[in-house]
Amino acid sequence: GAVVSQHPSWVICKSGTSVKIECRSLDFQATTMFWYRQFPKQSLMLMATSNEGSKATYEQGVEKDKFLINHASLTLSTLTVTSAHPEDSSFYICSATSDSLNTEAFFGQGTRLTVV
Amino acid sequence: DAKTTQPPSMDCAEGRAANLPCNHSTISGNEYVYWYRQIHSQGPQYIIHGLKNNETNEMASLIITEDRKSSTLILPHATLRDTAVYYCIVRNSGGSNYKLTFGKGTLLTVNP
Repeated sequence: GAVVSQHPSWVICKSGTSVKIECRSLDFQATTMFWYRQFPKQSLMLMATSNEGSKATYEQGVEKDKFLINHASLTLSTLTVTSAHPEDSSFYICSATSDSLNTEAFFGQGTRLTVV
Repeated sequence: DAKTTQPPSMDCAEGRAANLPCNHSTISGNEYVYWYRQIHSQGPQYIIHGLKNNETNEMASLIITEDRKSSTLILPHATLRDTAVYYCIVRNSGGSNYKLTFGKGTLLTVNP
């Protein structure tokens, strides 16, 4: 299947700083990327949907000014957690799909964020 | 998208078949049944999907009842590496704007 890569795999940052997570589709053009968050022992919760070249659509309750999403190219989307706080510590996962492939979503390996 | 119901956990002996049930009684005619799994601290992995016919691939088989209100994912010879949370998801196929809504899934534990 297609490959989606996230970077970094894990990151520790201080409260108040910003952290950027990258999601790349390595062998296909991702017209749509999704960002999820997963707290311990819970399921994945969709945060936002981003289409290349347009603004992301955020799910209810997700602060768009805190979680900045950029999808500037067909192979890269970034999620920036701004002014991170300990409660933002979570497992962040991206997935990507393609109109041309018309197939299932492929997921990255996830990024473990710890805010201290 | 239709809601799904899965048992929270199941156990299976290594080498035996693992049968994971899923109820989706409100599924509509154009919705597919998808199965993903998530091994601890990794991203979800696609397993299989189907509309109404049974499907089989190198990972698993998917059996969908005739009324499409339930389905069963079958791992024919479970290994320890199959221990994971298995998610049954119902959604429209086609088009990249259809997002996946994850429920709580079934934690399958394969025992030696």
